[in-house]
Amino acid sequence: DAGVIQSPRHEVTEMGQEVTLRCKPISGHDYLFWYRQTMMRGLELLIYFNNNVPIDDSGMPEDRFSAKMPNASFSTLKIQPSEPRDSAVYFCASSLAQLTDTQYFGPGTRLTVL
Amino acid sequence: GEDVEQSLFLSVREGDSSVINCTYTDSSSTYLYWYKQEPGAGLQLLTYIFSNMDMKQDQRLTVLLNKKDKHLSLRIADTQTGDSAIYFCAESINNDMRFGAGTRLTVKP
Repeated sequence: DAGVIQSPRHEVTEMGQEVTLRCKPISGHDYLFWYRQTMMRGLELLIYFNNNVPIDDSGMPEDRFSAKMPNASFSTLKIQPSEPRDSAVYFCASSLAQLTDTQYFGPGTRLTVL
Repeated sequence: GEDVEQSLFLSVREGDSSVINCTYTDSSSTYLYWYKQEPGAGLQLLTYIFSNMDMKQDQRLTVLLNKKDKHLSLRIADTQTGDSAIYFCAESINNDMRFGAGTRLTVKP
């Protein structure tokens, strides 16, 4: 398997623009996670899905952030409108069948909002 | 507290041992993990330990778990420059996964 795939790897946008980050989990994995990493706050869990259903979105910072998982092989994290403080690396991860199973991380998307 | 805590920085000389420490929050944690993040890359699982174990060894890596003190450590023997990275401690509890902020390990030649 190719592992967790994220796109784009880098995104530079202007404040106020919509940003969409994409993730393809490992085939057969039931759980998908979105994380944000910054120097100030470290790694933060934003939201996770089980079998395409959002389970816990308490980490989503604001209504500007939304995440969807229309099928088992694809998820998006959208920020609309984006702000400079959203600049971070966003990671997607997937795990097999239980929440305590090992999570496998994608390479991340580095987002810069000017 | 509610946080998984790690020191932010560690610097060692090549060939020395590195010890990265972590304190976690909940005695009911089932698994504890160490992840490695190299520059510009995502997190890779290094090793994990089940909560009923005290120690796990895997080549140059040794994980020690002190449940009484809720303390987890990762020892890297014969540290190499390629070990320079950020190391994350994580715990899993029920329906939650919590990560520390990461320890940046710098290995000097």
